[in-house]
Amino acid sequence: NAGVTQTPKFQVLKTGQSMTLQCAQDMNHEYMSWYRQDPGMGLRLIHYSVGAGITDQGEVPNGYNVSRSTTEDFPLRLLSAAPSQTSVYFCASSYAREWDNEQFFGPGTRLTVL
Amino acid sequence: GQQVMQIPQYQHVQEGEDFTTYCNSSTTLSNIQWYKQRPGGHPVFLIQLVKSGEVKKQKRLTFQFGEAKKNSSLHITATQTTDVGTYFCAGGRGSNYKLTFGKGTLLTVNP
Repeated sequence: NAGVTQTPKFQVLKTGQSMTLQCAQDMNHEYMSWYRQDPGMGLRLIHYSVGAGITDQGEVPNGYNVSRSTTEDFPLRLLSAAPSQTSVYFCASSYAREWDNEQFFGPGTRLTVL
Repeated sequence: GQQVMQIPQYQHVQEGEDFTTYCNSSTTLSNIQWYKQRPGGHPVFLIQLVKSGEVKKQKRLTFQFGEAKKNSSLHITATQTTDVGTYFCAGGRGSNYKLTFGKGTLLTVNP
């Protein structure tokens, strides 16, 4: 099993550009989520999904879109990149079980917006 | 909304000393999880606690969940250089599977 994979590992964008961060998992997990990590801020939830066709907002959703057309994939779209979106982005997945929802994280995407 | 506070933000210890990080939630949690993130890496799951007053041990690591299910702690006995990293707690509430992460405690160990 590859676990949770993310591409790209690094990305530099100019303000106003758009792009999609890819995330895929091969563990048949129902729950997938996107976090951003900034120094001193911990992990903040952007969007999450409890299954194909179902998504919801997290703590910091503005400027980001997601979709979940398959169980395996959960891409994160930046519509018009801003310098405030410079961050490390982690995708995570887990079973949708309240008592057993260990999060498996991908290796992350380091994004810089100039 | 739900907040999870974690202290201290940083902790520097000499190898062999003990280390503790504390996590407090503004609301009652259904479960709490702990993660470790090595520098440059991604968070890795350590443990999940679900019962009031639960205590779990993993070698030199001891995890506790408070009686009111609003606080938790991670204690490392006799730290080693391999313990270096940031330790995060993450609280779960209800059946929506969302987790709220604390800001983490960065542990550095002087050999």
